[in-house]
Amino acid sequence: QLQLQESGPGLVKPSETLSLTCTVSGGSISSSTYYWGWIRQPPGRGLEWIGSIYYSGSTYYNPSLKSRVTISVDTSKNQFSLKLSSVTAADTALYYCARRIGDYINYWGQGTLVTVSS
Amino acid sequence: QSALTQPPSASGSPGQSVTISCTGTSSDVGGYNYVSWYQQHPGKAPKLMIYEVSKRPSGVPDRFSGSKSGNTASLTVSGLQAEDEGDYYCGSYAGSNNLVFGGGTKVTVL
Repeated sequence: QLQLQESGPGLVKPSETLSLTCTVSGGSISSSTYYWGWIRQPPGRGLEWIGSIYYSGSTYYNPSLKSRVTISVDTSKNQFSLKLSSVTAADTALYYCARRIGDYINYWGQGTLVTVSS
Repeated sequence: QSALTQPPSASGSPGQSVTISCTGTSSDVGGYNYVSWYQQHPGKAPKLMIYEVSKRPSGVPDRFSGSKSGNTASLTVSGLQAEDEGDYYCGSYAGSNNLVFGGGTKVTVL
């Protein structure tokens, strides 16, 4: 059974860089069928697509976040990562990593809460 | 890209039907037959219920159905059950390998 697990600091200071890693188990991140992505959900609000990466390293970002987002993949560790720079309180959210097949998400991690505060 | 528009809430009695709308533009919902729906219970990750407008993943009851007309997609839950209560989000392909989601609809079973 595929599992995705997010990890990283739960507290980040304003203007710093948020860094999260997603570890994939029960399946290979190098599959040509899937993309791997990040989605966030501010407290009490809806879902926001952040971006995704293919195992080859091709990346696709939400235009509204593109200038601050970097997603990378490490196939040797079966992991992919998110970096979001110059964070503000508006970036406080539950961050999910996910497996995408074409136009939809069929597997989600449990999510990790990241709070931006000094 | 702007978030898709969903009503904040919907409700129905057990056994009844409830329909949730999801309105986008010709650049997302209207431009592709790539609309998905997700159910989220409190404290849990979202779960895929419908993909590509009307297809159900294995294990999703046939009480859940999806459709689309123009720039608006809909999710209908027939024969409402207590376990159907939760938040529902629509998603759509938005071109350039990007996705966009709706703001969510809270479904209450009365």
